[in-house]
Amino acid sequence: GAGVSQSPSNKVTEKGKDVELRCDPISGHTALYWYRQSLGQGLEFLIYFQGNSAPDKSGLPSDRFSAERTGGSVSTLTIQRTQQEDSAVYLCASSPLARGDTQYFGPGTRLTVL
Amino acid sequence: QQQVKQSPQSLIVQKGGISIINCAYENTAFDYFPWYQQFPGKGPALLIAIRPDVSEKKEGRFTISFNKSAKQFSLHIMDSQPGDSATYFCAAPYNNNDMRFGAGTRLTVKP
Repeated sequence: GAGVSQSPSNKVTEKGKDVELRCDPISGHTALYWYRQSLGQGLEFLIYFQGNSAPDKSGLPSDRFSAERTGGSVSTLTIQRTQQEDSAVYLCASSPLARGDTQYFGPGTRLTVL
Repeated sequence: QQQVKQSPQSLIVQKGGISIINCAYENTAFDYFPWYQQFPGKGPALLIAIRPDVSEKKEGRFTISFNKSAKQFSLHIMDSQPGDSATYFCAAPYNNNDMRFGAGTRLTVKP
């Protein structure tokens, strides 16, 4: 069956521009997560959705970062006024439930800010 | 702020050897402790997980050992193969709802 998909796979942007990253979770999965992975680094938690609400936004690094989820499905991560330090791979994962359940990851979006 | 401490950061093992990666956690909101495997250019994928009503779970060459009193668990890879070369992440409960990942261990298995 279809897994988690993310688009675009690669995004190159200029400093100061806004970007939108999209995640299509596995159908029926209620939980959705965004992570950031800098080159050779670990998984930095950004935000978690349960349905359309975000009980945990504690990982968003600044107010330039925001995310939404609509219809309990697609999620968009928006980064405003991008900075070079935002360059990383942004990973999305979905899960049938939240606690105690497997997270299924997408392939990621590689963001490069020039 | 780190809730899940993973070690070592990197590990080099000869083919056929045993790879051991350790994790320590703080939160015990619920009992589910997975290990994920990530190859370059790919997203992480679940490798093996334990719900610690048992202290050990084995799947093929991969074993999770769990010490609930010490709040520690480890991944053992027996007969390590070059194809096992990847980055491994543990994860543990963060609060009542979700989980956090360790910083990752880059495993290299030399032929």
